[in-house]
Amino acid sequence: GAVVSQHPSWVICKSGTSVKIECRSLDFQATTMFWYRQFPKQSLMLMATSNEGSKATYEQGVEKDKFLINHASLTLSTLTVTSAHPEDSSFYICSARVGLARYEQYFGPGTRLTVT
Amino acid sequence: KNEVEQSPQNLTAQEGEFITINCSYSVGISALHWLQQHPGGGIVSLFMLSSGKKKHGRLIATINIQEKHSSLHITASHPRDSAVYICAVMDSNYQLIWGAGTKLIIKP
Repeated sequence: GAVVSQHPSWVICKSGTSVKIECRSLDFQATTMFWYRQFPKQSLMLMATSNEGSKATYEQGVEKDKFLINHASLTLSTLTVTSAHPEDSSFYICSARVGLARYEQYFGPGTRLTVT
Repeated sequence: KNEVEQSPQNLTAQEGEFITINCSYSVGISALHWLQQHPGGGIVSLFMLSSGKKKHGRLIATINIQEKHSSLHITASHPRDSAVYICAVMDSNYQLIWGAGTKLIIKP
């Protein structure tokens, strides 16, 4: 099946710094990628939808200036958490849609971010 | 009422037992996902279904579109199967709706 990778798998950073998380589709082209966030013992929540070559669409309540999303190629989307704070500590997951198949979506393994 | 209901919420079983986790939904869907999340948080995509049945190793997933129900089965369960299993449906607008997850513990 299609594979989506994320890097890093976990990261610890100091408050006030920025952290970049990469999401790659390894064996397919993804015109659309999604970023989710999961707090402990809660369901995944959609943060934003990223389309290759255009601006991301953010869900209500998600600060676009804090969570910068770049989808510069058909296989790579990045999420940058700017000026991170401890409350940004969470599990971030990306998924990628296969080409134009709107229902065919694969998930990355996730990135655990801890802000100290 | 949640649009995606999983049952049971928690399941503890002995190694070797046959496991069934259920997912019922109330919306029209284009696809249904089963995911596995380990205690450290890592997510693994298990299956994506739009009809019928899929099998991968000891895992089997079935879906009944008419009854709006899917099941995930684990044969010959093993302690390493202990994880949270999540059902997520993609509705007709291609939006994902997540189940609350089923926490499975397999005791040796």
